[in-house]
Amino acid sequence: DSGVTQTPKHLITATGQRVTLRCSPRSGDLSVYWYQQSLDQGLQFLIQYYNGEERAKGNILERFSAQQFPDLHSELNLSSLELGDSALYFCASSVDEGQPWGYTFGSGTRLTVV
Amino acid sequence: QKEVEQDPGPLSVPEGAIVSLNCTYSNSAFQYFMWYRQYSRKGPELLMYTYSSGNKEDGRFTAQVDKSSKYISLFIRDSQPSDSATYLCAMNKPLQGAQKLVFGQGTRLTINP
Repeated sequence: DSGVTQTPKHLITATGQRVTLRCSPRSGDLSVYWYQQSLDQGLQFLIQYYNGEERAKGNILERFSAQQFPDLHSELNLSSLELGDSALYFCASSVDEGQPWGYTFGSGTRLTVV
Repeated sequence: QKEVEQDPGPLSVPEGAIVSLNCTYSNSAFQYFMWYRQYSRKGPELLMYTYSSGNKEDGRFTAQVDKSSKYISLFIRDSQPSDSATYLCAMNKPLQGAQKLVFGQGTRLTINP
C-alpha cells in the first residue's frame, strides 16, 4: 500500500456521462497530481494542486476539471465522456513541489466508457 | 515528436541476464531523471533517480545519464522473475512555476525462469 488511496478502482459508464474520481494523498503530502495512462499515449500529466490551489495544468481537456479540498483530498471530474477517455487515471502525491523524485502514486482508477 | 522516447518492447530475457533499458530525450531543460517500475494493475513506484551525468548504483540496479547525448539507461544485473514489470523513465521540467514529470512510453519486461 503506497499510502495514496484512489476510488473507485474500476468504473464503467456510458458515453455522454459524467464521473468523479477521488484521491486521498499520503498523510502529510500537500501536493496532488493527476495523470492519465492510455496504451497509445503513455502517462500524461493532467493537473497539479498544492495545498488547495491549482499549480500547473498539462494536456487536460476542457471537459475535465479537478479540485483539492481543505482536507487535501482531490477529485477529478470527467464530463461528456467519450470512448477515447477510457484509460487508467492515476493520482500521485508529494510533500512539496521541490522534489520531483518524491511522487507516490496510487493504484489508479480504470475507467471504461462504453 | 515526443519529448521523451522509450522503446515499448516487449523485452523478454532469461533469468540471470543483464537487462538494459533506455530512453532518449530532446529537452535540455530536464533536470532530474527517474526510473519507475509498474506492476500490472498497480501504480508506478520509484526505483531510482539521478541528477547529473554519470552512474548511480543501488543493489542490482544501475542508472546511467549522459546529458551530452540526451540518453539515459537503467541496467538490471542478475535479473529475477520478480523484475518482470513495465519500466518507465521520467524527467522533470519547470512548468508554470511548478514541476512537471514527463514519462516515456514504458518498456514491458519479462524475465523467464
